[in-house]
Amino acid sequence: SQQGEEDPQALSIQEGENATMNCSYKTSINNLQWYRQNSGRGLVHLILIRSNEREKHSGRLRVTLDTSKKSSSLLITASRAADTASYFCATDANFGNEKLTFGTGTRLTIIP
Amino acid sequence: NAGVTQTPKFQVLKTGQSMTLQCAQDMNHEYMSWYRQDPGMGLRLIHYSVGAGITDQGEVPNGYNVSRSTTEDFPLRLLSAAPSQTSVYFCASSRSLTEAFFGQGTRLTVV
Repeated sequence: SQQGEEDPQALSIQEGENATMNCSYKTSINNLQWYRQNSGRGLVHLILIRSNEREKHSGRLRVTLDTSKKSSSLLITASRAADTASYFCATDANFGNEKLTFGTGTRLTIIP
Repeated sequence: NAGVTQTPKFQVLKTGQSMTLQCAQDMNHEYMSWYRQDPGMGLRLIHYSVGAGITDQGEVPNGYNVSRSTTEDFPLRLLSAAPSQTSVYFCASSRSLTEAFFGQGTRLTVV
């Protein structure tokens, strides 16, 4: 089964509003990453947060990590039409098998 | 700098046929992976490699083989295609398990 699960599965908001999506995972991790995918194209890396970090910012993105709850959130502020995409979290577990596993994704639609 | 190159972009196979999906990267990354993406399922890991000569199975390896004879190339072989293998396939590479770079995908239909 997959390591991560995003919530909600789909989200529609008006342009200019903030978008928040969540990721829950099952096992202890080294890092958690967020990726964006536009219309079936390859995924693009957005941001990485390490297991010993609680919050990280990059431009309009803010990521939080709660390792006690095994969850993370991605906040996109002041959304734009170009933010319409699917967003995935990805984790690498810290028990030795070196692989990156992805969640099921959140489909974000920004309404102009 | 080409990044990760996947070929072909589209392919239609008949049930039982075999084929190889090609993946090449020019960033000297140790880690390479193959994923399949199906509607509502996100990305599922098929096989991965942590360096030349080393491969391992992911979540859904059945029906697929891989090899890693060079750092640059990581081909995925479908042994006997089945309709359940209709999917979009992505190859990814990274220096460690951070900031993976993805190819543009191969859309495979098995009829």
